[in-house]
Amino acid sequence: DTAVSQTPKYLVTQMGNDKSIKCEQNLGHDTMYWYKQDSKKFLKIMFSYNNKELIINETVPNRFSPKSPDKAHLNLHINSLELGDSAVYFCASSHPATGPTDTQYFGPGTRLTVL
Amino acid sequence: AQSVAQPEDQVNVAEGNPLTVKCTYSVSGNPYLFWYVQYPNRGLQFLLKYITGDNLVKGSYGFEAEFNKSQTSFHLKKPSALVSDSALYFCAVRDGRDSWGKLQFGAGTQVVVTP
Repeated sequence: DTAVSQTPKYLVTQMGNDKSIKCEQNLGHDTMYWYKQDSKKFLKIMFSYNNKELIINETVPNRFSPKSPDKAHLNLHINSLELGDSAVYFCASSHPATGPTDTQYFGPGTRLTVL
Repeated sequence: AQSVAQPEDQVNVAEGNPLTVKCTYSVSGNPYLFWYVQYPNRGLQFLLKYITGDNLVKGSYGFEAEFNKSQTSFHLKKPSALVSDSALYFCAVRDGRDSWGKLQFGAGTQVVVTP
């Protein structure tokens, strides 16, 4: 199936731990994104990469570090997890051939719970 | 900076009745407007977008949206709602001036369709 996939789907961990979320897309897109959806369902962009280059970096604590080994993968590593990091994290991808008109396609999300 | 307002937290409609989900936006350049739907414990699914041209945009699952420049609105509509349309709906805007512009989401509107 062509899609955006994320692993793991659920992640429960203790405060202070370090964890990673992985994202892969087989849509042939050049641009990938990480979004955070909080408990009130509000969605906010965190990062965007185009062809492995960081192009959007929102005001996110530097405990969050994205890594793009190739244009089909964008991973999110989080150091020293805090209670406030509990959220659903969505990966998305798009093919920016048409610039800002491109459609972003979303993965199923990773629900992170920090205890 | 762009912004999106979805004035209703929840919309209740009986099955078979028309469904409208409201969205207004603010953007400096040309607006590129999107609607997404999120089913429980799922990722966001793209419904439709307005880029240019005809103000009435048709999308997936029988949904359509009307772009109104003077009212800066992009309301989502469906002539006859189904129980399966019950979900969380997000409106989003992008500034056409910015090639790498962020997709700014509204707070979401929960749609509840009763049998």
